[in-house]
Amino acid sequence: DAGVIQSPRHEVTEMGQEVTLRCKPISGHDYLFWYRQTMMRGLELLIYFNNNVPIDDSGMPEDRFSAKMPNASFSTLKIQPSEPRDSAVYFCATQTSGSYEQYFGPGTRLTVT
Amino acid sequence: AQSVAQPEDQVNVAEGNPLTVKCTYSVSGNPYLFWYVQYPNRGLQFLLKYITGDNLVKGSYGFEAEFNKSQTSFHLKKPSALVSDSALYFCAVRDNNYGQNFVFGPGTRLSVLP
Repeated sequence: DAGVIQSPRHEVTEMGQEVTLRCKPISGHDYLFWYRQTMMRGLELLIYFNNNVPIDDSGMPEDRFSAKMPNASFSTLKIQPSEPRDSAVYFCATQTSGSYEQYFGPGTRLTVT
Repeated sequence: AQSVAQPEDQVNVAEGNPLTVKCTYSVSGNPYLFWYVQYPNRGLQFLLKYITGDNLVKGSYGFEAEFNKSQTSFHLKKPSALVSDSALYFCAVRDNNYGQNFVFGPGTRLSVLP
């Protein structure tokens, strides 16, 4: 298995633009998590899905952030409009319900200027 | 609410010496505890976990950790450090009363000096 796949790996955009981050989970993993990592705040859980259904989105910072999982093979995290304070590394991680181990993707480094 | 503390931002150790990376936690229920490692420009990689059973758990790359309920600690250890162990280490906790929500500590940067 190729592991968790995230795209793009790097994104540079201007303030006010829409940004879409993508994640392809490991096949058979029924949990999917979106995290944000910054120097100031460390690793924060934004939202997680179980069987494509959002379970807890209490970590989503504000209405500018939205996440979807239309099927078991794909998830997106969208920021609209983007702001410089959104600059961070965004990780997708997946897990099976019978395990407690999360598998992380390589991350997307977002820079908003 | 659940929380994790890693009291040291940085740990330096000479190659071949034992290493310890500290972690303490706070949960309302029974803790599930984890250690992850992050190398530069990479995602986090799972090292080991404590769910139940023996307090000493062994994981990948020769690492182990000891669960101490009375001290609410889960320190990561390795008998003999390698230069290649240099990385950022994260402790994480999941309270089994809070679904799949993991809380990660701030991370400890380990530097193993040759």
